[in-house]
Amino acid sequence: EVQLVESGGGLVQPGGSLRLSCEASGFTFSSYWMHWVRQVPGKGLVWVSRINSDGSSTTYADSVKGRFTISRDNAKSTLYLQMNSLRAEDTAVYYCTRDVILDYWGQGTLVTVSS
Amino acid sequence: QSALTQPASVSGSPGQSITISCTGTSSDVGGYNYVSWYQQHPGKAPKLMVYDVSNRPSGVSNRFAGSKSGNTASLNISGLQAEDEADYYCSSYTSSTTRVFGGGTKLTVL
Repeated sequence: EVQLVESGGGLVQPGGSLRLSCEASGFTFSSYWMHWVRQVPGKGLVWVSRINSDGSSTTYADSVKGRFTISRDNAKSTLYLQMNSLRAEDTAVYYCTRDVILDYWGQGTLVTVSS
Repeated sequence: QSALTQPASVSGSPGQSITISCTGTSSDVGGYNYVSWYQQHPGKAPKLMVYDVSNRPSGVSNRFAGSKSGNTASLNISGLQAEDEADYYCSSYTSSTTRVFGGGTKLTVL
């Protein structure tokens, strides 16, 4: 069974940093592209970033470019999102999701940026 | 990258059919056959319902059907059931090698 479990969310002050993790199981992690998608509670889905299967290629939404870094450790079957210079508008539930078609999703981890 | 345009809400009675539209541009919906649809119930993660415009993942009911014409994709749900009540989001690959989502459509089963 494919499982994606996010962790690392929490309360952080504006300007602070946070690293999210997404532990994958039930499939060959190293064979799949992975994405991060976020959702402000009560609002819509917003694509954040993606990384290819070996980690050599990454893409970001303009709203996070230069502040967020996506990475992966295929040996640990884990996806990461390093978030720096956090702003109030980054407050959201962050989901990791698999493959170019975003076929499986984790349950999300809530990031709250507030003083 | 601007969000794709979806109606804020649609409704239908059990057994009826509804269609949700998703309008983009030639740089996303119109340029690629990589449109997906997701269903999200309150407090839950999104679930893939249709990918590559009209393909259904294993386990998704054939009551869900996707299509595309020009810059507009559509999701048709036939034989509406109470469990179909949820938020629905379209998504497309873009020319910037990113993905973009629609604003979401709340489906109410009357």
